[in-house]
Amino acid sequence: DIQMTQSPSTLSASVGDRVTITCRASQSISNWLAWYQQKPGKAPKLLIYKASSLESGVPSRFSGSGSETEFTLTISSLQPDDFATYYCQQYNSFTWTFGQGTKVEIK
Amino acid sequence: EVQLVESGGGLVQPGGSLRLSCAASGFSFSSYSMNWVRQAPGKGLEWVSYISSSSSSIYYADSVKGRFTISRDNAKNSLYLQMNSLRAEDTAVYYCARTCLVCQGSLDYWGQGSLVTVSS
Repeated sequence: DIQMTQSPSTLSASVGDRVTITCRASQSISNWLAWYQQKPGKAPKLLIYKASSLESGVPSRFSGSGSETEFTLTISSLQPDDFATYYCQQYNSFTWTFGQGTKVEIK
Repeated sequence: EVQLVESGGGLVQPGGSLRLSCAASGFSFSSYSMNWVRQAPGKGLEWVSYISSSSSSIYYADSVKGRFTISRDNAKNSLYLQMNSLRAEDTAVYYCARTCLVCQGSLDYWGQGSLVTVSS
């Protein structure tokens, strides 16, 4: 099974900071990677699909990059609404695997 | 507006059964494959099961294989998860989620979740 490892697990940042979260796959997944944002008590929200495609309605400060085994989610200028937990997710042969999550906290 | 509304969660004893439902609206339900994803309290997300639009393809995570059954009724715009032989480790919020048609396996809409608690 493909394992997804996110880093860091927790990130402390200030409004306006540039934030980068990394996700590594245990084997190549091409660009079959998505990023989600989840706030406490709420369902996850799709931000990025196919590693770098921005979901409709998602602010352009969010961007994704990478391929094969290494991927990044970047928030160019952190806003108060962005404090949340972020998950990467891979899809391969009808199995879906999520990373363990990265919590973005207020510094 | 796309809406997914789960129901059927609650408290059940170990070894018991529960059936979750997910009512879909605002889109052509019969055209989309669907999933169940769960989240244990304070933990991350875990994919549970997938069903294709016509129910011809069904897949499960190893952790629930043989105990859970996914199904759908396209005439009723509804998705189901029959959970048998429940264990304490099945305690979680269960989300139904739609597979995006053009997003390579991404899940583009999620319900609000239904809490299942397995405890004596």
